[in-house]
Amino acid sequence: AQSVTQPDIHITVSEGASLELRCNYSYGATPYLFWYVQSPGQGLQLLLKYFSGDTLVQGIKGFEAEFKRSQSSFNLRKPSVHWSDAAEYFCAVGNTGFQKLVFGTGTRLLVSP
Amino acid sequence: GAGVSQSPSNKVTEKGKDVELRCDPISGHTALYWYRQSLGQGLEFLIYFQGNSAPDKSGLPSDRFSAERTGGSVSTLTIQRTQQEDSAVYLCASSLEGASADTQYFGPGTRLTVL
Repeated sequence: AQSVTQPDIHITVSEGASLELRCNYSYGATPYLFWYVQSPGQGLQLLLKYFSGDTLVQGIKGFEAEFKRSQSSFNLRKPSVHWSDAAEYFCAVGNTGFQKLVFGTGTRLLVSP
Repeated sequence: GAGVSQSPSNKVTEKGKDVELRCDPISGHTALYWYRQSLGQGLEFLIYFQGNSAPDKSGLPSDRFSAERTGGSVSTLTIQRTQQEDSAVYLCASSLEGASADTQYFGPGTRLTVL
């Protein structure tokens, strides 16, 4: 069965500092990988996704993620965090034949001034 | 254009009552999904509709939960005889064709509280 692990429940980053949120997945074949962000009281917004091709994926709001098959990872990065990035971030995996997404437990990002 | 909309945004009900949650997907999207977000379980898939195909109900937690999609558009999730453990945020999403790599666009959710 597919699974997604986000090992960090909370992360605090200073505004302007770089950010890396970790995501590890468990799936035998090449997965489809997604990062979503959820602001308080809001639904989920897609930041970026990977399903083939270049392993470094660019997304919205200055985010990027790198698919590393050897490490079963899809970590999310941003070079300089803004206060408005404070939110909860979810990594998710899907695959061919399964339309549902399997989500990680999320990482709550706090941005300190 | 308009995104996925859900109503009501909040619902408070008493244990044992039935509730209906509504989802309006993005116009033209053929696939529709329901997920549940709760503190103990995180984000869980509930059910998936694609066109006129039989829905994938594999995520429904009990037979008290059901969903329908009328006319290939609006969907209603019904929970009968609600229990306190049903308290959660119910999220609806839609995608263009339901392919695995399609982006799922989420609505703002309905927060259900069962007293």
